Amino acid sequence: DAGVIQSPRHEVTEMGQEVTLRCKPISGHNSLFWYRQTMMRGLELLIYFNNNVPIDDSGMPEDRFSAKMPNASFSTLKIQPSEPRDSAVYFCASSLRLAGGITGELFFGEGSRLTVL
Amino acid sequence: AQSVAQPEDQVNVAEGNPLTVKCTYSVSGNPYLFWYVQYPNRGLQFLLKYITGDNLVKGSYGFEAEFNKSQTSFHLKKPSALVSDSALYFCAVRGMDSNYQLIWGAGTKLIIKP
Repeated sequence: DAGVIQSPRHEVTEMGQEVTLRCKPISGHNSLFWYRQTMMRGLELLIYFNNNVPIDDSGMPEDRFSAKMPNASFSTLKIQPSEPRDSAVYFCASSLRLAGGITGELFFGEGSRLTVL
Repeated sequence: AQSVAQPEDQVNVAEGNPLTVKCTYSVSGNPYLFWYVQYPNRGLQFLLKYITGDNLVKGSYGFEAEFNKSQTSFHLKKPSALVSDSALYFCAVRGMDSNYQLIWGAGTKLIIKP
């Protein structure tokens, strides 16, 4: 099992540029989460998909952030335009939604470390 | 408001000694409780969970956690620490009002000294 695969692992860009982060969840998982991790704010849920449909995007900071899941094996998180305060580690996690609608334990990717200069 | 507290930013333990990483929570209804571990420059890895049943839960790498409803705690324990256990540990809880939203603790850095 390859686990959750994220790319790129590291991204350094300049303020104002577009950033696209990619995620391939574990095959068979029907729930996908994007998290952001910073020292100041810890782990923040940005968006949650179930069966490729966005269910909760209340954590997306602002309109500069967007996420898509065109199929069960791929998701993107886009920041346009990027700002220095977006610098963080962005994690994708997938899970299997169980009977009764409860999501099981999360499987995280290795993360994408974003630095916006 | 629902919350999770990990009262210690850092815990230092000598190798071979028992370790405890503390977690307390506040949620509505019966909680679903989780522990995750994060090694440097890696993603979080699931360690164990409590859903219902036996209050003592056993997980990966020899870790266990005890659910205490009266004290609203879910402390992580291991009888004999290894240097390789050094990492960042996160407690998380899900309340009855959500089937996906986890409330995360701030994390506790565990340092095991040889």
